[in-house]
Amino acid sequence: SAVISQKPSRDICQRGTSLTIQCQVDSQVTMMFWYRQQPGQSLTLIATANQGSEATYESGFVIDKFPISRPNLTFSTLTVSNMSPEDSSIYLCSVEDSAGETGGELFFGEGSRLTVL
Amino acid sequence: GENVEQHPSTLSVQEGDSAVIKCTYSDSASNYFPWYKQELGKRPQLIIDIRSNVGEKKDQRIAVTLNKTAKHFSLHITETQPEDSAVYFCAAPLSYNQGGKLIFGQGTELSVKP
Repeated sequence: SAVISQKPSRDICQRGTSLTIQCQVDSQVTMMFWYRQQPGQSLTLIATANQGSEATYESGFVIDKFPISRPNLTFSTLTVSNMSPEDSSIYLCSVEDSAGETGGELFFGEGSRLTVL
Repeated sequence: GENVEQHPSTLSVQEGDSAVIKCTYSDSASNYFPWYKQELGKRPQLIIDIRSNVGEKKDQRIAVTLNKTAKHFSLHITETQPEDSAVYFCAAPLSYNQGGKLIFGQGTELSVKP
């Protein structure tokens, strides 16, 4: 299993500001995934952070709003830019346990709970 | 792309009873169906998963069944206990061969009353 550390665990932010979330994994992984969980809602994939190439974003998410860095195989950052109250969510970093088959267990970090005022 | 629907949104059972949560999916090429449990304030954690080459999988009090023809899969919890109280999410790959990229169901809040 993978151990994933996220920082910050929570923050209160002002409208119009940006915040960067850090994700550190205890092993080298090819892909890291960023999910969003709005209050009382399900999880939605924002983007996949690939080492050595640009992140790939899912429908409804754009790089200008959620820029991602992936400087090495154990670390990634997600920035939430120009925040509005609608960005208040838990942001979760995750990695896949590659079991050799298509689809493996996703391990999640503890999440970063952002509240935008 | 894939779409996943989950029912019910809330489920309340008495301790010792069984609980069943159902999900449907749209992409017939999907081949991996995990279930995650999220306790209040905690991260989601995998509790069981099933691949499309089997119809049922069990792990102690938890089982998952898959009907590929009807494109639905279900989570079964027997002899429920108060510690089973949590939100449960089903999921499927967003597209074929994209294991880490999941689309999640809307979630079911299970409450087990002592």
